[in-house]
Amino acid sequence: NAGVMQNPRHLVRRRGQEARLRCSPMKGHSHVYWYRQLPEEGLKFMVYLQKENIIDESGMPKERFSAEFPKEGPSILRIQQVVRGDSAAYFCASSPSAPAEAFFGQGTRLTVV
Amino acid sequence: RKEVEQDPGPFNVPEGATVAFNCTYSNSASQSFFWYRQDCRKEPKLLMSVYSSGNEDGRFTAQLNRASQYISLLIRDSKLSDSATYLCVVTHSGTYKYIFGTGTRLKVLA
Repeated sequence: NAGVMQNPRHLVRRRGQEARLRCSPMKGHSHVYWYRQLPEEGLKFMVYLQKENIIDESGMPKERFSAEFPKEGPSILRIQQVVRGDSAAYFCASSPSAPAEAFFGQGTRLTVV
Repeated sequence: RKEVEQDPGPFNVPEGATVAFNCTYSNSASQSFFWYRQDCRKEPKLLMSVYSSGNEDGRFTAQLNRASQYISLLIRDSKLSDSATYLCVVTHSGTYKYIFGTGTRLKVLA
């Protein structure tokens, strides 16, 4: 049973470009969570999704950020028109239900130049 | 007030020592509690769930005190490999999202 898979592991974007981060949950997991972590800081909740539904997006910036978890395929976190402040590690986690244990992917490190 | 608060440390302890961390949470309706560890620049890894009756896994013991709204983690016979940041996690009572504390850094010294 493969773990949570995130890709790419590292992503470099120029200011103004779009960044797409992918997360494939563990088999049998239908709950996905996205977190952002700045260097030397804690994990900040962004969004919680179940298949085809956004359950809680209270941590998502109102502009430029969106997330989806379609019926088929991975969950996508999309950042439009990236700025330097978007540089961070973005972690995805999945769980079979809530509030069961959640397991994390290795993260995507986004660098905006 | 933050939903989940932890002492950032660092806690510097010698090998073999016993060390304990506490974590307080503000929402009395929180339902599930966990400890994760995170190594530098790596993903958080589940250490253990925290049950009302307390639970133990080898050298690690977790306790929950609902009345005082805190959870604790005790590490006995510390190893060098225990050096990491320990994250307290509480689930939100409404949507069950996972709320992380900022973590407590532990350094076990030879």
